[in-house]
Amino acid sequence: DAKTTQPPSMDCAEGRAANLPCNHSTISGNEYVYWYRQIHSQGPQYIIHGLKNNETNEMASLIITEDRKSSTLILPHATLRDTAVYYCIVCPRDDKIIFGKGTRLHILP
Amino acid sequence: NAGVTQTPKFQVLKTGQSMTLQCAQDMNHNSMYWYRQDPGMGLRLIYYSASEGTTDKGEVPNGYNVSRLNKREFSLRLESAAPSQTSVYFCASRWGTEAFFGQGTRLTVV
Repeated sequence: DAKTTQPPSMDCAEGRAANLPCNHSTISGNEYVYWYRQIHSQGPQYIIHGLKNNETNEMASLIITEDRKSSTLILPHATLRDTAVYYCIVCPRDDKIIFGKGTRLHILP
Repeated sequence: NAGVTQTPKFQVLKTGQSMTLQCAQDMNHNSMYWYRQDPGMGLRLIYYSASEGTTDKGEVPNGYNVSRLNKREFSLRLESAAPSQTSVYFCASRWGTEAFFGQGTRLTVV
C-alpha cells in the first residue's frame, strides 16, 4: 500500500501559487519524499525530491516539516499546463516506487 | 538520447494470446520497472528489477513474467492474455533519485 495520503483534487487560479499537501506519518529515516506528476495520459514526470531539508528547483519547491511526517509541494506561479495528477511518494533511493492515488490539480483560467 | 523507449505503442490481443512488451533505456540505469494504469486509476507496480539479472514482484504480478537479460532492456510477457489485463503499461528506469518513464503501451484484450 502507498504510504502517503493526499487530497483527491484541488483547484488553483492561474498565476497563483499551488500548494499540494501530503501526509506521510510512517516515513522511515532512510526514505525520501518524491513528487511526480502525470499530465493527461503521458508517462509520469519527476518534479522534485527531498530527505529532510526544503528543496527548490526550476519547477517547484518542496517543504518538509521538521518531524518529516508531512510535506507540501509548491508550484509558485501555476499555469494551465500544470493541470495534472500529482503523486507524492516516499521510498528509499533505488527502491520500489509505489504510487498512491495522487491529487488531481485543476488550474482555473 | 532517447531515454526510455517502449514498443509497441498500441496492441490489440485476443483472449488467450501471448505477447511481450519491450522496454529499453539508454541512460545506463540500474533499476527498471513495469507499471499498469487502468482508466481513472493510479499506477500499480507489476515487477521491478534492481539490476541486470534480478527481478522482484510488485503489487500486481499475477499473469505476467519479466526478463532482464541486460542492463538496457526489461521485457514484460503476458503468457495468456485476459480482458482484465486491458490497460496502459508504463516502463521506467532509475538510478538514484529521478525515475524516467516511457510513453506507454496501450493494450486492449478482447
